[in-house]
Amino acid sequence: AQSVAQPEDQVNVAEGNPLTVKCTYSVSGNPYLFWYVQYPNRGLQFLLKYITGDNLVKGSYGFEAEFNKSQTSFHLKKPSALVSDSALYFCAVSFSGNTPLVFGKGTRLSVIA
Amino acid sequence: DGGITQSPKYLFRKEGQNVTLSCEQNLNHDAMYWYRQDPGQGLRLIYYSQIVNDFQKGDIAEGYSVSREKKESFPLTVTSAQKNPTAFYLCASTPDRGRGDGYTFGSGTRLTVV
Repeated sequence: AQSVAQPEDQVNVAEGNPLTVKCTYSVSGNPYLFWYVQYPNRGLQFLLKYITGDNLVKGSYGFEAEFNKSQTSFHLKKPSALVSDSALYFCAVSFSGNTPLVFGKGTRLSVIA
Repeated sequence: DGGITQSPKYLFRKEGQNVTLSCEQNLNHDAMYWYRQDPGQGLRLIYYSQIVNDFQKGDIAEGYSVSREKKESFPLTVTSAQKNPTAFYLCASTPDRGRGDGYTFGSGTRLTVV
């Protein structure tokens, strides 16, 4: 069965430091991978996606993610964290692009000034 | 502006009541989805519809019902059979059955049983 895992419930990082939010997936086939961000009491906002092509994907607000097929990972990264990046981050996967997204449990990012 | 509108923002349900959550989109998207969000559990799929007059059960459909009579509308009814309905409900849509496009989400409805 398709699944996605976010191994960290919480990530704390100092402002200005690089951040990484981890995501791994389980698949038999080619995954479509996504990252979303959620601010309190709001819907999810799309950050970036990987479908095919370059393994490094750039998205909104300076975020990027690297697709690693051998490790079945799609970690979210940002070179320099901002306090305003503090939010709940979700990794999601679809298989073939024609099935509903399956979401991870989310990782709460806290950027400390 | 195009988007998804969920209403109401907050909803209170008494034991044994059915309640309906509204989801309307003006994006001309084919597919619409309902997810339930609980703390520490991420988003779980309740129902989805890829075309008008058709819908499919997701992972946690028991106690819920939907209809898709119009392309722009996908209401969710939480029935009295849903024993633990307190949660944050999110509606989403995507063009052309997904095919790699990201979802557009509404702002959510927070349902509380009183």
